[in-house]
Amino acid sequence: GQSLEQPSEVTAVEGAIVQINCTYQTSGFYGLSWYQQHDGGAPTFLSYNALDGLEETGRFSSFLSRSDSYGYLLLQELQMKDSASYFCAASMDSNYQLIWGAGTKLIIKP
Amino acid sequence: NAGVTQTPKFQVLKTGQSMTLQCAQDMNHEYMSWYRQDPGMGLRLIHYSVGAGITDQGEVPNGYNVSRSTTEDFPLRLLSAAPSQTSVYFCASSGGHEQFFGPGTRLTVL
Repeated sequence: GQSLEQPSEVTAVEGAIVQINCTYQTSGFYGLSWYQQHDGGAPTFLSYNALDGLEETGRFSSFLSRSDSYGYLLLQELQMKDSASYFCAASMDSNYQLIWGAGTKLIIKP
Repeated sequence: NAGVTQTPKFQVLKTGQSMTLQCAQDMNHEYMSWYRQDPGMGLRLIHYSVGAGITDQGEVPNGYNVSRSTTEDFPLRLLSAAPSQTSVYFCASSGGHEQFFGPGTRLTVL
């Protein structure tokens, strides 16, 4: 079957750096996306990796290794507003269909 | 530019009732999709469309119908509501790898 695995919960301290990992087992893999979702809200797009390597967007970076079927989201200089759930999602084909992980709840302590 | 809009925001149904969840986007995106999200889980794809007149099933299509008569609108119909369909429903549209989500509809089936 097709699945994405990510930790259910991660705790970090304000101002620190945190990494959220995602491993995937899929067929027809095109790329890996990351989304943020605050409680009661809708998912919002953070990043997309189609090629191996690191993509940086401000305080957030995302990494992909296709050979290891693995990616991660790196959040730097954590702020309390970063407390949310983070989802990895794999693109299955060129029609932008996504298979989603169950999400990682990021808890930030002052 | 409203993005993706969904109505209603909240709905309570009795078992066996039918209803339509509305979704519209004003970004001229070809790709639209419907997801459901259950507590502590990722999003599961119900149906999707790659353009007007074209729809296809996702992971969990049973009990739901869709149609796409225009680029802008993509309604989701629940044929005969069941308690297992209690969930939060998100509509999304995409013109590339970023998916834009509506605010969601919280549906409870009694």
